[in-house]
Order: sequence, then C-alpha cells, then structure tokens
Amino acid sequence: QVTLRESGPALVRPTQTLTLTCSFSGFSFTTSGMCVGWIRQSPGKALEWLARIDFENQSFYTPSLERRLTISKDPSKDEVVLRMTDMDPADTGTYFCARTRYSRGPFDFWGPGALVTVSS
Amino acid sequence: DNVLTQSPGTLSLSPGERATLSCRASLTVDNNYLAWYQQKPGQAPRLLIYGASSRASGVPDRFSGSGSGTEFTLTISSLGPEDFAVYYCQQYDRSPRTFGQGTKLEIK
Repeated sequence: QVTLRESGPALVRPTQTLTLTCSFSGFSFTTSGMCVGWIRQSPGKALEWLARIDFENQSFYTPSLERRLTISKDPSKDEVVLRMTDMDPADTGTYFCARTRYSRGPFDFWGPGALVTVSS
Repeated sequence: DNVLTQSPGTLSLSPGERATLSCRASLTVDNNYLAWYQQKPGQAPRLLIYGASSRASGVPDRFSGSGSGTEFTLTISSLGPEDFAVYYCQQYDRSPRTFGQGTKLEIK
C-alpha cells in the first residue's frame, strides 16, 4: 500500500527557511523511474507544481522559484525533503508531496498535505 | 512553460446531467501526457485520468477523457452527488510540469 505524509512547521516567520519532509512507504527509489514531487496550493487557488526528484537523484524545479528551492532524498529513511528559503506571506498554503511511477507520469498517490502559514 | 487554460471556470449542473470540461494547452502535449484530477474541499487531489484517456484504478466509468495535441476534454456522463468538486488538468510532458487553474463543478 502506497502512502505519503508531509510534516513540517505550521507557522514560519517571513524571511525564514521552510523545511518540509515527505515520508513515504509502499514504494522505493530503487525502482527505476520512481519520482516524488512537491505541489502547493494557496488558499482558494489552483495547484502549483514546485519540484521533483527522481530515482537517479536528478532534481527539477519550477523556474520562478528555482533559486529558493532545494529538493533532496534520504533513501535510508524513505524521505524526501523540500527546503524553501526566504519565506513570504505569499507562500502561505498547503504543501503536498506526491508520487509519480515514471519520470513522465501523473501523480498517482498524494499525501494529505501540510498547511504552512507565513506570518510575523 | 506549457500554460493550461481550463474552461469554464465554474460549471453549474444538476445530478444526472452530463458535464464537459475543457483544458487547452499553449504548447502541444506530446504522447498525450495529460492527466485530470478531482479535488474536494480539505482533501488532496485524486488522479482520475492519465494519458489523456486512461482511467486510473478505481475510477468509475462515467468519467472519460479525450483529446490530443493542445485540446483535451473530461466528460462525466451522468453526475452523481459525489462528483461536485474542483477538477484540474496537468501536463507531464515538459518541465516544468503545469496545472490548469481548475474548473469548479457545482450543484445547480
């Protein structure tokens, strides 16, 4: 059974760095093609793709946020970590991690999401 | 970026009616690498359709997807009360992956 779950701080101060962890089970990065990505959703807004990392440890980012994002994985813990620097109130929203079975594949399993509020 | 534009923004229909949702891409989506998701309030999106027309596991057959190139459609043949939600299309052909802005399907 594939599951993913996001964890991290619910409240972040402006200019701080956000660190979110995606803990998963039921699949492994040892499987060719496997990827995990991050997607966020501002309140009442659409989904926004942020980043993904694949089984070969290649990482990809949305261009508008690339300078602020770092995605990494810890295979020994079955975790993927997303770091976003210089947080702003506009970054408030729900952050989802999700799996794609292939590098060019849809997000077939999602975590429930983690709500992050940026406020002083 | 491949910008996806969904229409209409809001669709008001009654249970039992047919729903047709559109997704237009600014660039060709090769290999029909386009997916549709359903999202209900407070929940994560759920994959409905991938490859433009293949239903994901467990998705009822009243949901169907069609299209190619830059024009794609999600059809719900007969709306059940549980189908009222927001629907998003997403392309996974090019980086960055992109989502449409969503179509809200509401009860009339």
